Amino acid sequence: DVKVTQSSRYLVKRTGEKVFLECVQDMDHENMFWYRQDPGLGLRLIYFSYDVKMKEKGDIPEGYSVSREKKERFSLILESASTNQTSMYLCASSESVVDSRHQPQHFGDGTRLSIL
Amino acid sequence: KNEVEQSPQNLTAQEGEFITINCSYSVGISALHWLQQHPGGGIVSLFMLSSGKKKHGRLIATINIQEKHSSLHITASHPRDSAVYICAVKAITQGGSEKLVFGKGTKLTVNP
Repeated sequence: DVKVTQSSRYLVKRTGEKVFLECVQDMDHENMFWYRQDPGLGLRLIYFSYDVKMKEKGDIPEGYSVSREKKERFSLILESASTNQTSMYLCASSESVVDSRHQPQHFGDGTRLSIL
Repeated sequence: KNEVEQSPQNLTAQEGEFITINCSYSVGISALHWLQQHPGGGIVSLFMLSSGKKKHGRLIATINIQEKHSSLHITASHPRDSAVYICAVKAITQGGSEKLVFGKGTKLTVNP
């Protein structure tokens, strides 16, 4: 079974702090994703990475950056946390194949981040 | 208008009832994904389908590509089925790449 592990289930930080959310997958997947999930808005893509050191902006990248130094690890960074970044953050991974129709994304358990 | 619409937003059922959750989309897709999210946050992939029907235990997912519609059915529902069910489509962008577009979810509560 694919395992996507997020480093923290719950995290509380202060406004202005630099925050790191870590995600590790154990299936050698090329693609990794960071989403945030907010009530009434559903899941929104922040950034994704399709290879080591490669990244692409998603729908809401502002205020975030990412790092993919190793294939199995994808980090989300809040450079200077703000209260509107309080949210549930979900990491996912998937294989990269020519026919991607049958390649699902595998999700971690989520990190509930509160910025005070 | 959202590219992926789910209905209903909230659904309460009695144990044993047959449940249907609907998903309509307005974009070209290569596949559709049904996800389950339990309280606490973890998301599990239930089905990924691009045509026809798939069945796994008491869960059945169907898709009609022409009508741009999918349904998730749960037979003999049980309180442990209580969760948020999310429809997501692999949308084909103008540039030819794909991106996952999510519905807002359907919150299902099954009472004993």
